[in-house]
Amino acid sequence: EAGVAQSPRYKIIEKRQSVAFWCNPISGHATLYWYQQILGQGPKLLIQFQNNGVVDDSQLPKDRFSAERLKGVDSTLKIQPAKLEDSAVYLCASTLSEGALAKNIQYFGAGTRLSVL
Amino acid sequence: GQSLEQPSEVTAVEGAIVQINCTYQTSGFYGLSWYQQHDGGAPTFLSYNALDGLEETGRFSSFLSRSDSYGYLLLQELQMKDSASYFCAVRDYNQGGKLIFGQGTELSVKP
Repeated sequence: EAGVAQSPRYKIIEKRQSVAFWCNPISGHATLYWYQQILGQGPKLLIQFQNNGVVDDSQLPKDRFSAERLKGVDSTLKIQPAKLEDSAVYLCASTLSEGALAKNIQYFGAGTRLSVL
Repeated sequence: GQSLEQPSEVTAVEGAIVQINCTYQTSGFYGLSWYQQHDGGAPTFLSYNALDGLEETGRFSSFLSRSDSYGYLLLQELQMKDSASYFCAVRDYNQGGKLIFGQGTELSVKP
């Protein structure tokens, strides 16, 4: 079974530029997450999709970040314009089940390491 | 709000046993998960506890005490490949069931 695919693996941009990340979740996984992981910290949820609908975007800086999952499969996360503090690894994860009693095992991609100069 | 505390670093030798503790504060607790992340790699799921007690999976075990808001990950027969960061994460039903991760514990296994 193929895992969660993300691209690009690395991206270097200057502040105020735009950048986009792409994620393809595991086939059949309805729930997709985007996390931001700053060096030395745990992943922080930015946005959660259930199929193509947004479930939680409470921690997404909406003035500069946007995400979409138009057909309920692939997703893109965009930053426009980027700031120095956006330097981080952006992780995509997907999960099969989201019920209260479910383990909610999340399968992560390798991430995109963003450096904003 | 929610908070999780775990040690920032742990060092152990090959073949030894190490325990990584996690204490949490959350208003709506579903369960406690553990993830492993090698440097530059993806976090991978290790275990999940929703009820009190010990869950064993090979060399790894995880324990939960809901009354103490405490859990731990136990790694036995340590191998060099176990050198990684380990994150505890809580599912909070007051936060829509999303995972909230701790800051991580960096485990270094020495020969």
